[in-house]
Amino acid sequence: DTAVSQTPKYLVTQMGNDKSIKCEQNLGHDTMYWYKQDSKKFLKIMFSYNNKELIINETVPNRFSPKSPDKAHLNLHINSLELGDSAVYFCASSQVAGGLSNYGYTFGSGTRLTVV
Amino acid sequence: SQKIEQNSEALNIQEGKTATLTCNYTNYSPAYLQWYRQDPGRGPVFLLLIRENEKEKRKERLKVTFDTTLKQSLFHITASQPADSATYLCALSDNDMRFGAGTRLTVKP
Repeated sequence: DTAVSQTPKYLVTQMGNDKSIKCEQNLGHDTMYWYKQDSKKFLKIMFSYNNKELIINETVPNRFSPKSPDKAHLNLHINSLELGDSAVYFCASSQVAGGLSNYGYTFGSGTRLTVV
Repeated sequence: SQKIEQNSEALNIQEGKTATLTCNYTNYSPAYLQWYRQDPGRGPVFLLLIRENEKEKRKERLKVTFDTTLKQSLFHITASQPADSATYLCALSDNDMRFGAGTRLTVKP
């Protein structure tokens, strides 16, 4: 069973479209995250949710809106997609906020978003 | 501003040798430091966590040190194998977790 699963794995879309990426974890973790990995492979935190509540919201355009219907799910909706949004988006979860446990973060396999 | 720097983008070593990767940080007082492995097309995988009051942590062929005075962590892979080839990321845990840019390790047979 996949611990953190993201769908879709690949997403190619045109500028101006709205798209969503879904994430689910079956680990019973309380905290979930979205990270963006750009072309230089740098992983940057976007959002963090603890038990369905937003606890970190980095400087991310308002076009990005996370939604957590329950603590096992954290979806990412992106409005009015731009070329610069092209990246790999990773969902992750952890037992404790900040990964402050002996198990760190568990990441999904990523969603490669290409905006054309 | 806060920075996490991993010493080099790429490191090539011969099989059987010890790989040593460096992570330096500034303007942080992390409670924990973690190391992850990332293979192409995959998400990072957690390897080791070391706390600020620990000097060294080992797991099989992996060893991590954490010097809060030097603001540096060293990550060692002993008896390296081609299967160890991957990108290794360090991450600092404070209230949230921030990653370095990673070092791509290639172990040649």
